[in-house]
Amino acid sequence: DGGITQSPKYLFRKEGQNVTLSCEQNLNHDAMYWYRQDPGQGLRLIYYSQIVNDFQKGDIAEGYSVSREKKESFPLTVTSAQKNPTAFYLCASSARQGSIYGYTFGSGTRLTVV
Amino acid sequence: AQSVTQPDIHITVSEGASLELRCNYSYGATPYLFWYVQSPGQGLQLLLKYFSGDTLVQGIKGFEAEFKRSQSSFNLRKPSVHWSDAAEYFCAVGTRNSGGSNYKLTFGKGTLLTVNP
Repeated sequence: DGGITQSPKYLFRKEGQNVTLSCEQNLNHDAMYWYRQDPGQGLRLIYYSQIVNDFQKGDIAEGYSVSREKKESFPLTVTSAQKNPTAFYLCASSARQGSIYGYTFGSGTRLTVV
Repeated sequence: AQSVTQPDIHITVSEGASLELRCNYSYGATPYLFWYVQSPGQGLQLLLKYFSGDTLVQGIKGFEAEFKRSQSSFNLRKPSVHWSDAAEYFCAVGTRNSGGSNYKLTFGKGTLLTVNP
């Protein structure tokens, strides 16, 4: 079955370390997105990519980086510059016109700074 | 730019009672509208979506939503709530003329539903 896979489900990071969250989809979707979710704040867009080798900053990109070298993959790196990285991270993908067809979401990665 | 408001942060209903979750949007043209559900620690699952045509949309798990242009609303309803419906619900809006560079959905902040036995 087609879907979108995020790994790992739980991730622990020491202060000052970079960590990379994986997101892979086999839906042949052009667009991919990363959201951060904190209690009571809904979904906040970090980065999105509409095509391979191209991506744009979302609303809260500071302290994060991404790459889109393959259509299927859109990894997110949480750098040491992100001051409060503990959160639930969601990856999503969509057909080219995602605002028409909607997004498919992964099951999320919970990142905790220890 | 479009926006979505979910006025209720938290709603509590009894099992078997009816449910209505409110969603209001701001957009100049007729939007694409979506409802998603999120169980704790999980991703979002699409419940239903509105493109055009019939303003009453049926979705999965017995949910329905009605698009009311005059009120800029897209409220989610269920006639009888089950304990398994306890989750967070998100309304989202997409722009209609997105053939250019705007492919993004705009999400509301969510409504947390608690179901009492």
